Amino acid sequence: DAGVTQSPTHLIKTRGQQVTLRCSPKSGHDTVSWYQQALGQGPQFIFQYYEEEERQRGNFPDRFSGHQYPNYSSELNVNALLLGDSALYLCASSFEARETQYFGPGTRLLVL
Amino acid sequence: QKEVEQDPGPLSVPEGAIVSLNCTYSNSAFQYFMWYRQYSRKGPELLMYTYSSGNKEDGRFTAQVDKSSKYISLFIRDSQPSDSATYLCAMMLYSGGGADGLTFGKGTHLIIQP
Repeated sequence: DAGVTQSPTHLIKTRGQQVTLRCSPKSGHDTVSWYQQALGQGPQFIFQYYEEEERQRGNFPDRFSGHQYPNYSSELNVNALLLGDSALYLCASSFEARETQYFGPGTRLLVL
Repeated sequence: QKEVEQDPGPLSVPEGAIVSLNCTYSNSAFQYFMWYRQYSRKGPELLMYTYSSGNKEDGRFTAQVDKSSKYISLFIRDSQPSDSATYLCAMMLYSGGGADGLTFGKGTHLIIQP
């Protein structure tokens, strides 16, 4: 049973650039949530996608946007990167936006 | 005041000891309570989740929720060096027909000494 997968595993960008991160949910799951985890902190909720629409959003600026495809995979896009965007970006999947969320290994983003 | 407070540690205990990890929260609307384990440079792994006040046991792990005190705990019995990791408490509420995003504590770094 394939778990949540994310790509790439890590990448380096410079300030002002744009980045796209990808996530495939666990088999049988249709809901994808994205989190940002800064070093030494707990993950912070960015947004959640269900039925190809943004269902919930945390306290993140519009520079953070996303998309969900018909096969339930999802992308996180961040525009105009800032140094403070350096973090581990985690994707979590669940079924029908229920409470049990399973996380992927994350993408480590470094902004220079 | 942060919504979820968790002592970051580190907490160091000898192998075989009982470990107690705790979180307090301020939002009484939280309905679901989870514990995740995160190894260095990995994604969080769901250990346990509970809905109501009381205890829930799974092997060496016991999760406890006291909604009246807004306090949750995770107990680990017979701790092993492989339990060394960061333990994150997380909470969520339901709105609009589905579960909201998780609100996490900062995580407690646990070290089990062989």
